[in-house]
Amino acid sequence: GENVEQHPSTLSVQEGDSAVIKCTYSDSASNYFPWYKQELGKRPQLIIDIRSNVGEKKDQRIAVTLNKTAKHFSLHITETQPEDSAVYFCAAASNTGNQFYFGTGTSLTVIP
Amino acid sequence: NAGVTQTPKFQVLKTGQSMTLQCAQDMNHEYMSWYRQDPGMGLRLIHYSVGAGITDQGEVPNGYNVSRSTTEDFPLRLLSAAPSQTSVYFCASSPAGVGQKETQYFGPGTRLLVL
Repeated sequence: GENVEQHPSTLSVQEGDSAVIKCTYSDSASNYFPWYKQELGKRPQLIIDIRSNVGEKKDQRIAVTLNKTAKHFSLHITETQPEDSAVYFCAAASNTGNQFYFGTGTSLTVIP
Repeated sequence: NAGVTQTPKFQVLKTGQSMTLQCAQDMNHEYMSWYRQDPGMGLRLIHYSVGAGITDQGEVPNGYNVSRSTTEDFPLRLLSAAPSQTSVYFCASSPAGVGQKETQYFGPGTRLLVL
């Protein structure tokens, strides 16, 4: 099955700085990669996703890049704010689209 | 729409007891799934269903059963609870059909403690 690795496990940045979280995957047939944000005690919520026919996608301060050759994708958050503090998970969908494999999460702390 | 709902929010079981975690969605989604979330391990897929009457195993299916008799409901059964099943359980649904990949919407979660 697919194996998704996520780094770093914890990340602290000053407010206004950028944050980057990286994930790698093992199954070259995977072609859908969502990112979820989970606040303490809450459910995971989708913040951005990318499909394998696209190299980059941006939504305001959040962007995701995908390198299919290297089998890695990254989340970029610019101009970080304290409300960005949360745990972020990457995921990859199996080639059938029926199974999602999650990374182990990155705890982001934005220091005011 | 209520979205994805889960009951109960919190449950304490003794080893060997059985229980059913309920999950329902009112968005007419075909795909539903169950995950468990443990510290430092992210979310791991237990079982999933691509439509009524169809279920399949995920990464960690042992100790859990599911059924999908209607589009709306996807209960998760623990037949004989073990302390290793202490976790937070999330149900999710997606409008995707077989072979498609779409956004998953998560329920609020059920926190289970097995003593």
